[in-house]
Amino acid sequence: DVKVTQSSRYLVKRTGEKVFLECVQDMDHENMFWYRQDPGLGLRLIYFSYDVKMKEKGDIPEGYSVSREKKERFSLILESASTNQTSMYLCAAGRGVHEQYFGPGTRLTVT
Amino acid sequence: GEDVEQSLFLSVREGDSSVINCTYTDSSSTYLYWYKQEPGAGLQLLTYIFSNMDMKQDQRLTVLLNKKDKHLSLRIADTQTGDSAIYFCAESPAGSGAGSYQLTFGKGTKLSVIP
Repeated sequence: DVKVTQSSRYLVKRTGEKVFLECVQDMDHENMFWYRQDPGLGLRLIYFSYDVKMKEKGDIPEGYSVSREKKERFSLILESASTNQTSMYLCAAGRGVHEQYFGPGTRLTVT
Repeated sequence: GEDVEQSLFLSVREGDSSVINCTYTDSSSTYLYWYKQEPGAGLQLLTYIFSNMDMKQDQRLTVLLNKKDKHLSLRIADTQTGDSAIYFCAESPAGSGAGSYQLTFGKGTKLSVIP
């Protein structure tokens, strides 16, 4: 099975801080994804990447950027964290659309 | 754009069957998925079906697709307390290209199993 790990399970940051969320997968899959999950809104795609140094905007990219310098690692960056970015962030990896394997999530609180 | 709707809550007794329903709007050929999220965990893919199929069975899970009504259901036979979780319906377009990698998720149905 693909293993997807996220750098932190819980994170607390202050408004205006730069935040890095790291995701690592161990199965050499091309595709990686960042979602945020909010109560009553389900999962929404922020960004995805289908190859090293390639990225595509999802449904809600505003306020976020991503970096994929190596195939196994996909980073989500909040340039200046705001309280409305308090959420659960889920990373996924997969070879194709049928194989999105999810990490355990990072619960980010911005105060 | 595509939209996926599902009811937010379902409560069943242990041993009964659970049926979780989902409707979607994309009329083009598409793949449809069911994911399970246990408390404090990420999402786990349970099963998926292509829109030219009308049924898929895997042990206790049965997926039914009514393409005409754009209605998808997940039936869990002999529901156990370990099945308590949030179940997400999702869809993606068929074909190639970066757009086909995107999944549109419903808001999730929280299944509670009463012992």
